[in-house]
Amino acid sequence: DGGITQSPKYLFRKEGQNVTLSCEQNLNHDAMYWYRQDPGQGLRLIYYSQIVNDFQKGDIAEGYSVSREKKESFPLTVTSAQKNPTAFYLCASSWTVTTEAFFGQGTRLTVV
Amino acid sequence: EDKVVQSPLSLVVHEGDTVTLNCSYEVTNFRSLLWYKQEKKAPTFLFMLTSSGIEKKSGRLSSILDKKELFSILNITATQTGDSAVYLCAGGGGADGLTFGKGTHLIIQP
Repeated sequence: DGGITQSPKYLFRKEGQNVTLSCEQNLNHDAMYWYRQDPGQGLRLIYYSQIVNDFQKGDIAEGYSVSREKKESFPLTVTSAQKNPTAFYLCASSWTVTTEAFFGQGTRLTVV
Repeated sequence: EDKVVQSPLSLVVHEGDTVTLNCSYEVTNFRSLLWYKQEKKAPTFLFMLTSSGIEKKSGRLSSILDKKELFSILNITATQTGDSAVYLCAGGGGADGLTFGKGTHLIIQP
């Protein structure tokens, strides 16, 4: 089945540790995105990539890093520099940056 | 800076009522307005609107865009408890993809 897969669904980490969230899509989409969602907030853009080997910072990129070595994959690393990493993280993909985005099921990260 | 504002932020109605959710936007090089429904995890796509005044319908849901007033509404008629969700509005046009509003948390009481 075509879609976007995020893993893991739940992740617990100790403060000060880096952690990488996985996002894979088999929709052949060029554009991929990472959003963060906090309670009562909408989706805030962390990073996006319009094409392989290229990515851009979104509105809240500090403390995060990404890579786009393959079209299907857009992993997000939450570094120890991120002050409030506990959140729900959503990955999405789309044909272009203005067409409908398809979302993964999300990863809930808790840092203790 | 691009901005999307949704209202109300939360809404509680009874089953069978009709609701109207609002979305205003300021998006550079605007091209499309999208509505999503988020129940527990992944938002699911509802509508994409690109032309002013043309209503899109899907069952009990409908939506329309006003590009002059920079506004869109999402209507749900004969609401059911399964319509309870967060409804997200997003504007597309900038080079960095969609700008999302904070969402409207809709609760349908039996």
